[in-house]
This record gives sequence, structure tokens and C-alpha cells, in this order.
Amino acid sequence: RKEVEQDPGPFNVPEGATVAFNCTYSNSASQSFFWYRQDCRKEPKLLMSVYSSGNEDGRFTAQLNRASQYISLLIRDSKLSDSATYLCVVNQAGTALIFGKGTTLSVSS
Amino acid sequence: GAVVSQHPSRVICKSGTSVKIECRSLDFQATTMFWYRQFPKQSLMLMATSNEGSKATYEQGVEKDKFLINHASLTLSTLTVTSAHPEDSSFYICSALPNGEADEKLFFGSGTQLSVL
Repeated sequence: RKEVEQDPGPFNVPEGATVAFNCTYSNSASQSFFWYRQDCRKEPKLLMSVYSSGNEDGRFTAQLNRASQYISLLIRDSKLSDSATYLCVVNQAGTALIFGKGTTLSVSS
Repeated sequence: GAVVSQHPSRVICKSGTSVKIECRSLDFQATTMFWYRQFPKQSLMLMATSNEGSKATYEQGVEKDKFLINHASLTLSTLTVTSAHPEDSSFYICSALPNGEADEKLFFGSGTQLSVL
């Protein structure tokens, strides 16, 4: 079983749509959780950290369910510029980040 | 903000040659740097953890004699792919954690696309 699993997609949505990505992780000792965004052949960039209480940053909402070892990302009012691969990332303190395979989003006009 | 410089960004080489990739933190010190590899449509896979002044820690399945890591200073780690073969063709990317910072402060280099002919 892979440490971090995501639905690879692709998700093809029109502008303005709401889209949700899910992720599960296998290591119950994981302590930190993130969503990264990666554009083709570029370095991943931190989108947001994920907290147990859930957190929101503009059109993006992330949630964590430790009991189910499940992380989600919701994007509202999708923009063309949101087209990218979204990486679910977990780690234990002081260790390297473990990346999911990524979910590809394509937003069209 | 903090910047990690990775060089070169693209390398094309013949089979059997060695390729060195540099990862440099420009405005912070990093005792620990990480090297990842990403094949097309795959996730970033951790290859090794580079520790300044000591031996790197390699992930299972990564040959330490083939992927030489040197972290000689608090701002520079290098990855040398020795005797590269076509199956080593991949996107290599480093990341560095500023000393004393939380995990979300991890910074990535811009990556190196290696193509071995």
C-alpha cells in the first residue's frame, strides 16, 4: 500500500466550477499535512498547510480527518489558472515530505 | 523569500558519463537537504536525505554508489549520477529546510531534467 494515495484524475471542469480532491495516507504517525501545486516540469509550490480544524484560504478549503487518515482540498469558483497537478503531502516532524502521485486539474473556458 | 538555486536545469548526456547537479541555498543555511526524483506522471520519490558534514541517508532501492551525495557546507549539496544510463533519465529536484524552521518552510530548487542518450 502506498503511503499517500490520490485519485490521479484528470479532473476536467469548466470555469466557475467547484472541485474536490481527496487523499488518504497510511502512516498514522504522520504529523504534518500539506497541499502542493505543481505545474508541468516545475518545482512543487506550497498551496496550503492542512489542520485538523480545517482551514480556508480564499477559494481553497482544506480539511483533515485523522481518524480516517483522510485529507481533502476543495476549490471553489475554478479559474483557468488553477489548472495544475495538486499534490497531497504528509510527513513526520523533521523528516522528508512524502508526496502523493498528484491529481491533475484542467479548467476550461 | 528564501531561494534554492538548482543547477543545471537541463542536461543531455551520453550513456556512461557522470552528471553533477548542484543545490544551493542562497540566503539561508540548511543542515538538511532532500533529493527527489520524478518520472513522467509519477510522484516525487525521495531518493536521499543529505546531511551537512555526514553521510547521506538513502531510501530503499536507491544505490548510494550510483547517486553520490556530498553536503560539504550548510548552503550546498550536490548529487552526482555516476555512469548514467537511459533509465536514469528523470526530473531531479532538491529541497532545503532552513535551520530552525517548520516543515512548511521547505524550499525547492527548480529541478534538473536529465536525459541520457
